[in-house]
Amino acid sequence: GAGVSQSPSNKVTEKGKDVELRCDPISGHTALYWYRQSLGQGLEFLIYFQGNSAPDKSGLPSDRFSAERTGGSVSTLTIQRTQQEDSAVYLCASSLVRVPETQYFGPGTRLLVL
Amino acid sequence: AQSVTQLDSQVPVFEEAPVELRCNYSSSVSVYLFWYVQYPNQGLQLLLKYLSGSTLVKGINGFEAEFNKSQTSFHLRKPSVHISDTAEYFCAVSDRNTDKLIFGTGTRLQVFP
Repeated sequence: GAGVSQSPSNKVTEKGKDVELRCDPISGHTALYWYRQSLGQGLEFLIYFQGNSAPDKSGLPSDRFSAERTGGSVSTLTIQRTQQEDSAVYLCASSLVRVPETQYFGPGTRLLVL
Repeated sequence: AQSVTQLDSQVPVFEEAPVELRCNYSSSVSVYLFWYVQYPNQGLQLLLKYLSGSTLVKGINGFEAEFNKSQTSFHLRKPSVHISDTAEYFCAVSDRNTDKLIFGTGTRLQVFP
C-alpha cells in the first residue's frame, strides 16, 4: 500500500518568509510525528499527534513553529519568519497507534533558508 | 530526560567482516529500544526493536542487537556485512511513559569491497 508522503521534496526560501510542509500519513494510522534532521545532529523530535488528543508540542524549538492535523489525517508543519538555522530535512512519520508501534517515515522535505 | 549516545559517527569495514555499532542510553527505567536504518536517498525504516523478553533481538537483513540493562546498551551487530549494508544507522529509545522516540546522532556504516 501507499507509504507516508511529504511535499514538497525540496524547498528553498528566503530568510523571513513563511513555509508550509505537508505530510500525508498511511491511511488508518492514528499517530503522526514530525522530526527535524540536521547535519550531524540526528533526528530531533518536534511534535506528536495521537488521534483526537491534544498534540505533544514539547519538541518545537520556538513559537515560529506550529503544526496542525486536519481530520485525523493530513498534517501541515508551518515555520514562520524562517531563519538560516531552520535549514534541515523535515521528516514525518506515522504509526498505527502510539509507541512502541513501528513508525513509518516519509522521504522528507529538504528546506534551505537563504 | 532520555538521551542516546552513538559514539561512532562513522564505521568503515570491509565486505564480509563482522561489525558492531554501539548505542548507549541514559536511563535505567523501563524502555523500548529501536534501530532504524536510512539507506542512501531513502527514508528511515525499522531494522529491529526491543520491547521485553529475550535480550537478543533479531531484525531484518541479518542484523541483531542485544539489550544489556546493566550497561544501558543496545549494540547492533552483523556477523558478515555486505556492500548493500552501507547506510546510516540510528538508535532510538522511548521510555514507557512517553510516546516520543529520542534518536541518537547516527552511525554511518561504509562497507568497502
